[in-house]
Amino acid sequence: DVKVTQSSRYLVKRTGEKVFLECVQDMDHENMFWYRQDPGLGLRLIYFSYDVKMKEKGDIPEGYSVSREKKERFSLILESASTNQTSMYLCAILDGYNEQFFGPGTRLTVL
Amino acid sequence: QKEVEQDPGPLSVPEGAIVSLNCTYSNSAFQYFMWYRQYSRKGPELLMYTYSSGNKEDGRFTAQVDKSSKYISLFIRDSQPSDSATYLCAMSVQAAGNKLTFGGGTRVLVKP
Repeated sequence: DVKVTQSSRYLVKRTGEKVFLECVQDMDHENMFWYRQDPGLGLRLIYFSYDVKMKEKGDIPEGYSVSREKKERFSLILESASTNQTSMYLCAILDGYNEQFFGPGTRLTVL
Repeated sequence: QKEVEQDPGPLSVPEGAIVSLNCTYSNSAFQYFMWYRQYSRKGPELLMYTYSSGNKEDGRFTAQVDKSSKYISLFIRDSQPSDSATYLCAMSVQAAGNKLTFGGGTRVLVKP
């Protein structure tokens, strides 16, 4: 079974802090995604990566960056956290059947 | 206007009833359609996916796609309390699962 883990379930940060959210997969999948989920808005794609060091912007990349130095790890970076980035962050991978598997999510609160 | 619209609910039904969920969309280029189930404090899990128009059945779940009306549905027969969750529709233009556009989700509560 595919396993996608995220570094923290709950995180509280202060405005202006640099925040790192990490996602790790245990298989050799190339495509990885970062979404944020807000009530009534569903999941919105922030960034995705289709290989090591390769990345593409999603629908809402502003205020975020990503890093993929190793195939199994995809990091989301909030350069200077703001209160409007309080959200649930979900990482996903694309398996060989073109299905997206999600991690458990990180609920980030920015004070 | 959002690209994919979904009634947020909550939708409350008695155990054993049929749950009917739907989404409408505006982008006629969408070809792959998915339904995800998300339990509280968990990530979404894929329930069903279909390509283009038509019906697909899997156990108690039936997914329908009507591309001419830009409308998709999910039916859950003989609903159980364990079906209580948020259901999200998702769609993509290219191969299933890639660059998905999600609806806002419908919260479903099945009462024993």
